[in-house]
Parts: sequence; C-alpha cells; structure tokens
Amino acid sequence: SQQGEEDPQALSIQEGENATMNCSYKTSINNLQWYRQNSGRGLVHLILIRSNEREKHSGRLRVTLDTSKKSSSLLITASRAADTASYFCATDGGSNDYKLSFGAGTTVTVRA
Amino acid sequence: DAGVIQSPRHEVTEMGQEVTLRCKPISGHNSLFWYRQTMMRGLELLIYFNNNVPIDDSGMPEDRFSAKMPNASFSTLKIQPSEPRDSAVYFCASSLGLVNEQFFGPGTRLTVL
Repeated sequence: SQQGEEDPQALSIQEGENATMNCSYKTSINNLQWYRQNSGRGLVHLILIRSNEREKHSGRLRVTLDTSKKSSSLLITASRAADTASYFCATDGGSNDYKLSFGAGTTVTVRA
Repeated sequence: DAGVIQSPRHEVTEMGQEVTLRCKPISGHNSLFWYRQTMMRGLELLIYFNNNVPIDDSGMPEDRFSAKMPNASFSTLKIQPSEPRDSAVYFCASSLGLVNEQFFGPGTRLTVL
C-alpha cells in the first residue's frame, strides 16, 4: 500500500500564481522527498527534507514537514507553464527501512 | 554525466515470451532501484540493491520476475514468462547511499500482447 498520499489529485492554476500540494503519510520516516514527472518521462528529484527539519527551500520551491501530523506540503511560487507536471511525495519506512513509497501524485496544470 | 541509462525504451512482446530490461546506473552510485508504474497502481518499488547485493525484493510481484546486478554498472530485470498484466513503464533509479535522492532513468515502456 502507498505510504504517502497527495492532495489534491489535480490542480489547475494561472501562470504566476502559487501552487500548493500536500502529502500525508502513515508511519515514522527518516526523510521525505518530492519528485516531479513530466508526461512520458522519468521522475526528477526536487527536494529531500529530513525528519528533523521543518522547512526547506530550493529556488521557487518551499517544502514543509510536520512530523506530528505526518504531513508535508510543497509550494511552487510564481508558477510557469514549464511547471506543468505530476508531483509525487515519497517516504521511507523509518529506522532501517529505506524503501521509498510514492503517492499517487498531484497533477498540476499551469495555464499561460 | 549521462544519467541512468535504460534499454530498450520500448518493448512490445507476446504473452509467454521472456523480457529482459537493462539498466546502467550513474557511475559511482552504489544503490539501484527497479520500479514499475501503472495507472492503476501508481509507482511501485520492485527490488533494490546496495553495493550490488539485493536488499529487499518484497515488491517483486511473482516468481516470474527476477533481477540481477552482476557488477556496479549493470542490472537486469527479467520477466519469464511475460503476461499482459505486466504491461507498464519500468523505471530504474540509482543513488549514492540508500537515504539520498534517487536519479531515475527514462523508463522502459513494456507492452505484452
């Protein structure tokens, strides 16, 4: 079964707007990762946030992690048409369980 | 850096045939992962290796699936015999260590008729 679940399933925004998607998971983790997948391509790593971190930034991306709520959010600021893709969160099983479980993803469409 | 290389990119075969998917990880990476992606089940981890040793194959769906990593620069995923329900995109990914970011290959789109 999937450890991480993204919300919403789909998101449509205007270029320049911000996009926020959330991820909830069930068990303790070592870290949480966000990936992007363009249609017909492989996944591209965006950000890794460790369980002892609460927020991380990378360019226009901001990730938060709340381990008490077992949830994370990914914010894309000032979106561009090129941000159109599916976004996945991935979590390991904590402790010595390094297997990544991916959610079903959030499909983001940025309208020009 | 060439990234993770997978071959073939597309494979169409008939039910019952043997299928072999190949992966060359990024040089210097010591962890390798095989995933399968379908619309119904999303992205599933099949098996992963660390330092060429299989660590967890609990995601391999059936005995028809097998994977090997004979050296640090090559891995195969074999399906024998293949079935239509094996149709999916198979991704290989590599990383430096088990807890770090994974780099994905472009995938192999497998269609079993």
